[in-house]
Amino acid sequence: GAVVSQHPSRVICKSGTSVKIECRSLDFQATTMFWYRQFPKKSLMLMATSNEGSKATYEQGVEKDKFLINHASLTLSTLTVTSAHPEDSSFYICSARVAVTNTEAFFGQGTRLTVV
Amino acid sequence: AQSVSQHNHHVILSEAASLELGCNYSYGGTVNLFWYVQYPGQHLQLLLKYFSGDPLVKGIKGFEAEFIKSKFSFNLRKPSVQWSDTAEYFCAVNARAAGNKLTFGGGTRVLVKP
Repeated sequence: GAVVSQHPSRVICKSGTSVKIECRSLDFQATTMFWYRQFPKKSLMLMATSNEGSKATYEQGVEKDKFLINHASLTLSTLTVTSAHPEDSSFYICSARVAVTNTEAFFGQGTRLTVV
Repeated sequence: AQSVSQHNHHVILSEAASLELGCNYSYGGTVNLFWYVQYPGQHLQLLLKYFSGDPLVKGIKGFEAEFIKSKFSFNLRKPSVQWSDTAEYFCAVNARAAGNKLTFGGGTRVLVKP
């Protein structure tokens, strides 16, 4: 299957700083990428849908100014957690699809963010 | 609200036992259905998918799932589990009615005892 690479896999940052997470589709072009957050022992919660060349669509309750998403090319989307707080500590996962329907989503390996 | 429900949060069984995990969704219209597995410390992997056609879908590692449209269900089955099937299993639905966003169920943690 197609490969989605997420970087970094782990990051520790201080409160108040910003952290950027990259999501790349390595062998296919993804017009749409998705960012999820997974809490311990919980399911994946969709944060936002990232569309190449346009603004991301955020889910209800997700602060767009805190979680900045940029999808500058068909193979790269970035999530920046701004002014991080300890409660932002979580597992962030990106996924990408080739098309909107009748295709599976491919997932990155996730990023464990710890804010101290 | 539209949602994806997995009825079992935790399942413990012995090797060679049969496994069935329930998944129900509440979306109407056209849906794409998936089961993903997450082994300890690893990322999500696709087990199987349903887009159209035969409602009985066979996936990797001996897993299968049956789409029953009238019941809005997509249950996952494996006749004989192995210790290596210990993992968390997620049902996911991509529904046109929900803007084609992939929505996950709450997950089922499966522990297979050797």
